[in-house]
This record gives sequence, structure tokens and C-alpha cells, in this order.
Amino acid sequence: SQQGEEDPQALSIQEGENATMNCSYKTSINNLQWYRQNSGRGLVHLILIRSNEREKHSGRLRVTLDTSKKSSSLLITASRAADTASYFCATVHSGYSTLTFGKGTMLLVSP
Amino acid sequence: DAGVTQSPTHLIKTRGQQVTLRCSPKSGHDTVSWYQQALGQGPQFIFQYYEEEERQRGNFPDRFSGHQFPNYSSELNVNALLLGDSALYLCASSWARNTEAFFGQGTRLTVV
Repeated sequence: SQQGEEDPQALSIQEGENATMNCSYKTSINNLQWYRQNSGRGLVHLILIRSNEREKHSGRLRVTLDTSKKSSSLLITASRAADTASYFCATVHSGYSTLTFGKGTMLLVSP
Repeated sequence: DAGVTQSPTHLIKTRGQQVTLRCSPKSGHDTVSWYQQALGQGPQFIFQYYEEEERQRGNFPDRFSGHQFPNYSSELNVNALLLGDSALYLCASSWARNTEAFFGQGTRLTVV
């Protein structure tokens, strides 16, 4: 079963705009990770945020985590056409190292 | 560093047949996990291997089995294939608990 739910399911923006995707989960986590998938191929790890962290940055990516609301957001700033992909959040729960994925957000960035 | 490699990339099988998928983890990684991704869905955890043993298993029937070899590479076997087994099968490797996973490009399995 899916743990997380990404919102929105699909997002269409213009190059240069910011894209924000949200993820909610149900049970307590050890960490939360965001992945990108191009054209139904392998997933690429973007960023990991631990349960005791509130915000993390990596290049044009900014991730926040609110454990009280069991939610996370991924912000991509100054988007590019190459950012077009599906984005998934995945949770890791205490005592386990496996990933539980949501259904993903499909992002389309138009030139 | 070759990263995680999976073979084959595509496969077409007939209902009732058996299939074996292969995965070589990233150099230095000792843990291999397998995921099934149906079209339009997020990946679903099948099982995880560590030190040649199945450490965790998701909600998949016994038709799905696996193996890990001493060099940490792994196989996923599916018996008595069903049409619903058609999916992208992803292998991920990692070296410690609660760290990022590195994924292969996946094997696209089509059951006809």
C-alpha cells in the first residue's frame, strides 16, 4: 500500500517559474526522501531530510518537513525544461530501511 | 563506478511462465531491495536482501522470490506469471539503514 500522497498529481509551469510539490504521510518516520523519475525509468535520489530536520537545501531544491502535520514539500526554483519528470516522496520508518513511496507528481516545464 | 545495473532492460513473457531478473549493486553497497512499479503508480516494495538473506518483505505472494549472492548481486524470480505482473521492476542498493538508495534503470516486464 502507498504511504504517502503527493499533491498535486500533475503540475504544468513555464520555464523560470517555481514548482512546489507536497507530500503527506500517515505514520512516524525516520527520514523522508525525494526522488525524480524520467520517462518511467530508474529513480534518481534528490534529497534526504531526517525527522529532526525542518528544512534542507540542495542547489535549486528546497525541502521542508513538518512532522507534526506529517507533511513535506519540495520546491524547485527557477525551473528548466529538463526538470520535466515525475517526482516521488518516499518515507523510511524507524527500524526499517525500505522506502514507502507515494504515487508521485508529474511535473511538466514548458520552454 | 557503474552504479546499479539491471538486466535485461525489457522482457516479454507468456502467462504461466517464470522469469528471472538480475541486479548488480553499486560498488560498496551490501543491501539490495526490489520494487515493482505499475504504470502510473509509485514503486511498491517487494523484498530486501542483506548478507544473502531476505531481511524484509512487502505484501507480495510467494510467487515472488529472490536471492543474494556473496558478491552482493541479486536475482528476483517470479513464477506462474500473471498479466498483472506486467510492470517496471526496480532494483535499489544501499550500504546502511536509513540512507539514500541508488536505483537501477529497471526491467520492463510485459506478460501477455
